[in-house]
Amino acid sequence: EAGVAQSPRYKIIEKRQSVAFWCNPISGHATLYWYQQILGQGPKLLIQFQNNGVVDDSQLPKDRFSAERLKGVDSTLKIQPAKLEDSAVYLCASSLDRWGRTDTQYFGPGTRLTVL
Amino acid sequence: DQQVKQNSPSLSVQEGRISILNCDYTNSMFDYFLWYKKYPAEGPTFLISISSIKDKNEDGRFTVFLNKSAKHLSLHIVPSQPGDSAVYFCAATTNDYKLSFGAGTTVTVRA
Repeated sequence: EAGVAQSPRYKIIEKRQSVAFWCNPISGHATLYWYQQILGQGPKLLIQFQNNGVVDDSQLPKDRFSAERLKGVDSTLKIQPAKLEDSAVYLCASSLDRWGRTDTQYFGPGTRLTVL
Repeated sequence: DQQVKQNSPSLSVQEGRISILNCDYTNSMFDYFLWYKKYPAEGPTFLISISSIKDKNEDGRFTVFLNKSAKHLSLHIVPSQPGDSAVYFCAATTNDYKLSFGAGTTVTVRA
């Protein structure tokens, strides 16, 4: 079974530029998550999709971050414009069904973003 | 605010000995706890979990203990192997399914 795919793996941009990350979840997984992991911290949930609908975006900085999940499969996360403090690893995860309390989240390898 | 804390950023242990990783939480509403393991350049992978109705869960060399009154859980790895060298994250959730992660503990198993 193929895992969660993310691209690019690394990205370096200057502040005020825009950047987009792509995620392809495990086939058949209804729930998709985007996390931000700043160096020395644990992952922090940014947004959660159930199929193509948003179920939680309470921690997404909506003035600069946006995300979409078209057709309930792939997802993109965009930052526009980027700030220095956005430097982090952006992790995508998927799970079979949000309503399964013990449902395991499977993580992709992440995209490491450096904002200069 | 950090609701899940892993106060030891690193742990070094001899191969074959026990590794004990600790995690404290502040939110009394947390009722499901997980440990994830992460290798460099990879995403975290699920390791073991425990529900608040239990105080212990075992899976092979890995055992998680939960002390609800102390709001503390620990992960024991016995015996430790070189392949266990990784970053271990403690996570917790309430019935909103949102995972709150600790900052991680880097385990190094010495040969």
